[in-house]
Parts: sequence; structure tokens; C-alpha cells
Amino acid sequence: SAVISQKPSRDICQRGTSLTIQCQVDSQVTMMFWYRQQPGQSLTLIATANQGSEATYESGFVIDKFPISRPNLTFSTLTVSNMSPEDSSIYLCSVSDAPTNEKLFFGSGTQLSVL
Amino acid sequence: AQTVTQSQPEMSVQEAETVTLSCTYDTSESNYYLFWYKQPPSRQMILVIRQEAYKQQNATENRFSVNFQKAAKSFSLKISDSQLGDTAMYFCAFWGTSGSRLTFGEGTQLTVNP
Repeated sequence: SAVISQKPSRDICQRGTSLTIQCQVDSQVTMMFWYRQQPGQSLTLIATANQGSEATYESGFVIDKFPISRPNLTFSTLTVSNMSPEDSSIYLCSVSDAPTNEKLFFGSGTQLSVL
Repeated sequence: AQTVTQSQPEMSVQEAETVTLSCTYDTSESNYYLFWYKQPPSRQMILVIRQEAYKQQNATENRFSVNFQKAAKSFSLKISDSQLGDTAMYFCAFWGTSGSRLTFGEGTQLTVNP
């Protein structure tokens, strides 16, 4: 199984600022995913990030608000831009076990609070 | 689009007893994977068990087993000999081979009481 390091683990931010979350994997993976988990709710996919191509965003999420980088097969970042209190959530990075893509492994998440 | 439904927002069980968490899903795909993930207060998403749709045999992992009813689109999780460390939010999830994404249910908060 893949080991995923996600940073920061938590942060408290001011309205209008931006935060970049980093996701580092201990092996090369094709597909990386970013999820949002709002308080008391389930996980919602923000986007899929593949190396060498632009991220694919789900309905309701846009690149200007959640820009994603995927410079290589072991690393990705998600930025939450121009934050508002509604962005307070847990953000999780996950990767699939290529080539079968039969399992998804998760980082420990970033707890974001926006004041 | 696939949907996953967990109709039990909260459940509780006494230590050492057995509990079953329910999950139903809707899909038009014939080949897919179903998962149960556990999320304790640490936030870490932990894979509990996985079922491949083309396998009729129910998956088992130690104290965890599933009852997979493909025709009914039902995928329940049975936890035997419940332990205090099983207290967590449990999410049922669907991975369709054509969609390349994991769709989660709403979650069931399980509390194991001493």
C-alpha cells in the first residue's frame, strides 16, 4: 500500500487568504485525487490530478478557486484560494494502486478553519 | 451517475457483540468495486474491506465481513466481536471501472460501548 504524507495537518486562516496543501506519496502513482469533507458530512471529490495534464474538476469546483499542481508522479498540491468560512473543511489527498486502480489510499487530511 | 446510500446515520453496539451496517447503491455498470472505509477521530481514512462485483463470494477480513447482494444492490458490513477501537465513522464507497472515481455514502457513526 502507498504511504501518503499530507501537509499541513491543520491550519487556521483568515478570510480572503489562500492555503496550499501538499501531498507526497512514497511511490509513483498515476492518479491522485483531492476530496473535501465538510463538517459532519461525507467526502466529495474536488478533482482528479494526473501528471502531465490539467486536473479534471467535478461539478461545483473550479480551477480559480482550487488550483491544483501535479509536477511529477509522487507529488501534488491543492490551493484553496480567497478563502471564506464556508471553506472550513477537511481536505484529503488520495491515490489509487495503479495499474489496477482497485483501491484508494488516503492521506491523513488537512483540517482547515477559516475565520 | 452512481449513488451510494447509508440509511443509518448512527449505530451503537456493546463490546464483543456483532453489528451490521447497511449500504445500498445504484449503478448501471456490471463491473465495479465496493468498499468500506473507517474514519476514526484522527481523520485518517482506513480501508476496511473490498468486494469485487464479479466475485460471488463475500469478502472477509478477520472480524469484518460483507453481505454482497448484487441483484439487490446491497452491500452490508458485519463487525463481529466489536472492540472499543472500532468506534468510528464508516463509509460505504463505490468505484466503477468506467468512471475512475470513488463515490461515498453519507456515513454511519458507530459507537462501541464498554
